[in-house]
Order: sequence, then structure tokens, then C-alpha cells
Amino acid sequence: GQNIDQPTEMTATEGAIVQINCTYQTSGFNGLFWYQQHAGEAPTFLSYNVLDGLEEKGRFSSFLSRSKGYSYLLLKELQMKDSASYLCAAKKKAGNNRKLIWGLGTSLAVNP
Amino acid sequence: EAQVTQNPRYLITVTGKKLTVTCSQNMNHEYMSWYRQDPGLGLRQIYYSMNVEVTDKGDVPEGYKVSRKEKRNFPLILESPSPNQTSLYFCASSSLSYEQYFGPGTRLTVT
Repeated sequence: GQNIDQPTEMTATEGAIVQINCTYQTSGFNGLFWYQQHAGEAPTFLSYNVLDGLEEKGRFSSFLSRSKGYSYLLLKELQMKDSASYLCAAKKKAGNNRKLIWGLGTSLAVNP
Repeated sequence: EAQVTQNPRYLITVTGKKLTVTCSQNMNHEYMSWYRQDPGLGLRQIYYSMNVEVTDKGDVPEGYKVSRKEKRNFPLILESPSPNQTSLYFCASSSLSYEQYFGPGTRLTVT
């Protein structure tokens, strides 16, 4: 089957570090995306991992383990504006549809 | 500026009155897609298009139609809207890298 799991909600404090986990079961897996979505707005691209390991991009890093079907998004030096939903999406290999299998999102609240 | 635009951004309509939501991208992307987003259900793909005149169903195509006569435009058509089509709709486009660029969204209410 195809399934993506991520926590529904998380809370963290401004200036802290938070890790948002994502596990997936997807046939023909070929990469994992993280998107950020503020309430009522469009998702915006954060990161893409296709190989195992950590990809760092400023305050945000993303990790992938293909053998474990696991990824995480790490947010450092949290700011209030980081309060948003974080969507994990798995890319399927081949076929005509560049389909992404989307998680339901993790709603992160950053408190002062 | 590279972008995906959608119109209208907000629409309240009545059951059965045909409507079209337009989507346009200026990045020369071949792939375009429509999603709806509902609380607790996440993003669900309605239709997608690999190129001009090439469209196919996504996960929830019932009640929707699309067309792709030009590369930049991918309108979503609701021939006879029903209340269960009340949702937040996103158009997206992508290049070979698969990173999808989303439009700002259209919030549709069908009464």
C-alpha cells in the first residue's frame, strides 16, 4: 500500500530546535519532499531528498533513510513565523504521473 | 517573476451553476496538476496534465473536468457543482525536477 505518517501537531519554543518525523510506505519510492504551508496559503517547497543522509539549507535540514522508510525535517533557531503546517510527500518512480503521495501535515506552533 | 496564478481566489456559488477556475504558469512547465485540500484529508489530486492535450485523472476526478489547450493554462471546470465540492483548490506546475510550484489557492463554497 501507500501511506505516509507524520504527527498531527507539535509545539515548540522560539529559539529552540524541533524535529518533525515522517514515515512512509510507498511502492516505487524515488525521493521525499518537505513543504511548508501557512494557514490558508499555498504550500511552498522546503527540501528534497533522494539519497540517504542529511541535506542542510540554512535553518532547515532534512534527513532521509530509504531502508527505514523514514525522514525528518529539522528546524533550528525557531522563529514565530515558522508556525505553519509541514507536509511530507513521497515521490513515486516512473509512470506518467509525477505523483506525490502526501502526508496530512504536521501543524507546528511556535510559542514565545 | 516565476509564478502560478489562479482566479478567482474566492468564490461562493450555488448548486448546479457551472464554473471555471483558471490556472496559468509562466515557467514553461510541462506538468500541471489540480488538488483539493480538505481538513483531515490533506492534498488530493484531481487531474493532471503531462503536456498540451494530455490529461488524466488523479485520485478524486468525479465532478471535475480539465483541459490543456495551451502549455501555460490548465483550467478546472465544475459542470454542476455540489456542496461536497466546497474546498480549497490548488493548481500546481513542475519541471523535470518534480518540485511543484503551487498557485495561491481558490476557496470555493457551493451552497
